[in-house]
This record gives sequence, structure tokens and C-alpha cells, in this order.
Amino acid sequence: DAKTTQPPSMDCAEGRAANLPCNHSTISGNEYVYWYRQIHSQGPQYIIHGLKNNETNEMASLIITEDRKSSTLILPHATLRDTAVYYCIQISGGYQKVTFGIGTKLQVIP
Amino acid sequence: EAQVTQNPRYLITVTGKKLTVTCSQNMNHEYMSWYRQDPGLGLRQIYYSMNVEVTDKGDVPEGYKVSRKEKRNFPLILESPSPNQTSLYFCASSLYAPPDTQYFGPGTRLTVL
Repeated sequence: DAKTTQPPSMDCAEGRAANLPCNHSTISGNEYVYWYRQIHSQGPQYIIHGLKNNETNEMASLIITEDRKSSTLILPHATLRDTAVYYCIQISGGYQKVTFGIGTKLQVIP
Repeated sequence: EAQVTQNPRYLITVTGKKLTVTCSQNMNHEYMSWYRQDPGLGLRQIYYSMNVEVTDKGDVPEGYKVSRKEKRNFPLILESPSPNQTSLYFCASSLYAPPDTQYFGPGTRLTVL
């Protein structure tokens, strides 16, 4: 199965940028990198995704290395409401299963 | 409002008593999926469905059944629940198959005694 690796936990000061790393060294050319987050035990929520280029939306930025073997999710100004588990997953078109790991637990500290 | 709904949200039952957890989406999505979440194991996919009458096994299908008779509904059936199926369950849908963005329901917390 396609698998990513993330640190199990991270802290970030409120108002600072949170940079969450993800390694996906086995990623293939047609696989996307997706980020979701889960606040408490709610349903996971989509954040952002990318294939090769860096991406930005109203929630976050995604920086993908040139070799595509790792990426970083950036929350530019973390708030207490960003405290959550963040999942980085790699998904290929045509591969119908979706595999989540255990994610990174981000704690935003006042 | 576009959403995925699950019922019930909480359920306590006993071993062997058949139960169904319903999932419904109002976004005309083709792809639907069920996950279970357990401490330390993350989200694991149970079953998924590409469209009506098309279902397939995910990573942990044992002990579960699903059906997709209508596009909007994707119930999860536990014919004979066991304590090891105590878990938090999520239904999700996406317009098309992965890698399309998935929208998750609020979850169903199931306890099997």
C-alpha cells in the first residue's frame, strides 16, 4: 500500500506558522498528495492537495519538493481552532482504495 | 446544505445482534466509502462503492457488509457484531473515485458489549 510518514505530534505557538512535514518517498508520477485534518472525533475535513506544484488556498499552503518525495503543509497563522490531527495521504487516480495513516497531532499553544 | 449524514450517531449493542448504520449524501456523489477509526491505528477503509450496485472491499472488510441500491445511500451492516467491532465509524463520499476530495459524515460511535 502507498504509505506516508509523519511525526506523531507537534506543537505550535498561537499566531505563528505551523509547518507539518510529510514523507512520501514511494510516490509515483500519477499520485496526488492530499491533506485532511480531524478536530476531536469529528469527520475529517479536506484541506488541500497537490500533484507537482505548490498550492495555496484559504486554509493553507502546500509545498512539494522537486523530487516529490516529501511535502510540507503550512498553516500561516495558527489559531487554537487549528489544534487537530493532520493526515497526509498519497492517492493515485484509478486506485480506488484510500489509506490514511495515523497523522500528526498538532497542538496550538496559547 | 451539502452534507453526508449518518445514523445513529451513538449505538450500544450486544454481541450477535444485527445492526445497520445508515449513510446518506445529497451531493449526487458517485463514490462512497466506510472507515473505522481506532486508537493508534488511524482511519482504515472497510468498503467502498464506485457507483450503484458496485462495491468492493477495503483494508478491513471482515465482519461487515454493504449495499448500494441507490446512489445517495450506502448502509453498513454488521450481521453479527463482536466486541472487536467497537469503534468510531465514518462514512465519506466524493463526486468521483479517488483522488477526488472526500467529504466525511459526523461519525457513529459503536460499542458492542
